[in-house]
Amino acid sequence: GDSVTQMEGPVTLSEEAFLTINCTYTATGYPSLFWYVQYPGEGLQLLLKATKADDKGSNKGFEATYRKETTSFHLEKGSVQVSDSAVYFCALSENAGNNRKLIWGLGTSLAVNP
Amino acid sequence: EPEVTQTPSHQVTQMGQEVILRCVPISNHLYFYWYRQILGQKVEFLVSFYNNEISEKSEIFDDQFSVERPDGSNFTLKIRSTKLEDSAMYFCASNSYTEAFFGQGTRLTVV
Repeated sequence: GDSVTQMEGPVTLSEEAFLTINCTYTATGYPSLFWYVQYPGEGLQLLLKATKADDKGSNKGFEATYRKETTSFHLEKGSVQVSDSAVYFCALSENAGNNRKLIWGLGTSLAVNP
Repeated sequence: EPEVTQTPSHQVTQMGQEVILRCVPISNHLYFYWYRQILGQKVEFLVSFYNNEISEKSEIFDDQFSVERPDGSNFTLKIRSTKLEDSAMYFCASNSYTEAFFGQGTRLTVV
C-alpha cells in the first residue's frame, strides 16, 4: 500500500540555519503531497502542498518540490526562526475517487535555538 | 475564518467505559475523517465519512468504534469499552476538494 517515510528527528538547529527535512513516498497512483505542521499544544495545520509532479509548494519561507523521479517531497527553509520549532509531518493523498484520506509520515520534531 | 472544532480537548476515562468525541466540521464540507496519533507514533487514518455513511475504514476501526452525524452539524466518534491502548490524540478533519482542515484534537487518556 501507499506509504510515507520521513527523516527521524529530533532536529536541532540554530536560528538562521538552513533546514532540510527529507520525505519520500510510495504510491500506486499519482498522489497529492502535503507538509503539515503541529506547533506545541496545537492541532495540525497545512503548511504547503503540491498536486502534481514538478509542482513547488511554498508558504512562510518553506518550500518543497514534488519530484516524481525520486518519489520525494523534501521540505526546505533557508533561514529558520525560533518560532518554526514544531513537529513537521509529510503526508500523501491519492487523487482517485472521492476519498481524500491522508497517509502520514512519522513526523520530524524541529527545535530552533536562538 | 471557518474552522473545525473538537470537544473536549482532553478526556480521561476508566478502562471499559464508553467515550464520545465530538467534532463540528466546516459547514459546507462534505467529507469527514477521524485520525488518531498514539504518543510518539505516526498519525493513523481511522475512518472517512461521506453522505451520511462510512466511505472507508481502516483495520483499526473495528466494532469498538462507530461514527455518526446525528444532527447535520456534529460528527462524533464513539469508542466503546475503552482499552489502555486507545489512549491517543484523536483528530477530526473535514475536506474541501483539495485540502483537509483539522481540529485541535482531543487527547484521550484511558486509565
